[in-house]
Amino acid sequence: KNQVEQSPQSLIILEGKNCTLQCNYTVSPFSNLRWYKQDTGRGPVSLTIMTFSENTKSNGRYTATLDADTKQSSLHITASQLSDSASYICVVSGGGGADGLTFGKGTHLIIQP
Amino acid sequence: GAVVSQHPSRVICKSGTSVKIECRSLDFQATTMFWYRQFPKKSLMLMATSNEGSKATYEQGVEKDKFLINHASLTLSTLTVTSAHPEDSSFYICSASEGNSPLHFGNGTRLTVT
Repeated sequence: KNQVEQSPQSLIILEGKNCTLQCNYTVSPFSNLRWYKQDTGRGPVSLTIMTFSENTKSNGRYTATLDADTKQSSLHITASQLSDSASYICVVSGGGGADGLTFGKGTHLIIQP
Repeated sequence: GAVVSQHPSRVICKSGTSVKIECRSLDFQATTMFWYRQFPKKSLMLMATSNEGSKATYEQGVEKDKFLINHASLTLSTLTVTSAHPEDSSFYICSASEGNSPLHFGNGTRLTVT
């Protein structure tokens, strides 16, 4: 069964600090892995998308890594800001279009001033 | 960039009534759109795949007669929650993609059934 496990479930850090969110998956076959940011009451917004051959991708203060061998990904947030408070969702695609996506439950991140 | 617009953002309705939610791709054509449901602090759950010009494909456990989906054009899909009950209260989100681009999500619709 395809699964995406994210950790931690929730995280509270002080503004300006860095943090790393984890995503482990057992999706097969593997096409790509995406990180989304979802603000409360809003739809998810794409941060990064990585294919099998990519092991790191950055988007501003967000840097995602992918180890396709161990089936692990991380999302590192540098110099956190209050606006980073959101849920971060890891989504793994097994190919076959968007209906072949497996969603993680997300990590709820709170940035405190 | 590609934008998906969802309307309304919030709706409150009485039990037994029907509610229609619209999902539009604003600057691209989407032959396929997707409808999700999300309960508080839970992950997105795919409800159905909406195909332009044909019947929607529903996930197991989703009642097709209760959640009517119409994809009449390449830029518009609608989800109608029929005979809504309080347990249908949830956050409904649509998504669409253009080719192999990342999936773009609408901003969601908060449905409250009283």
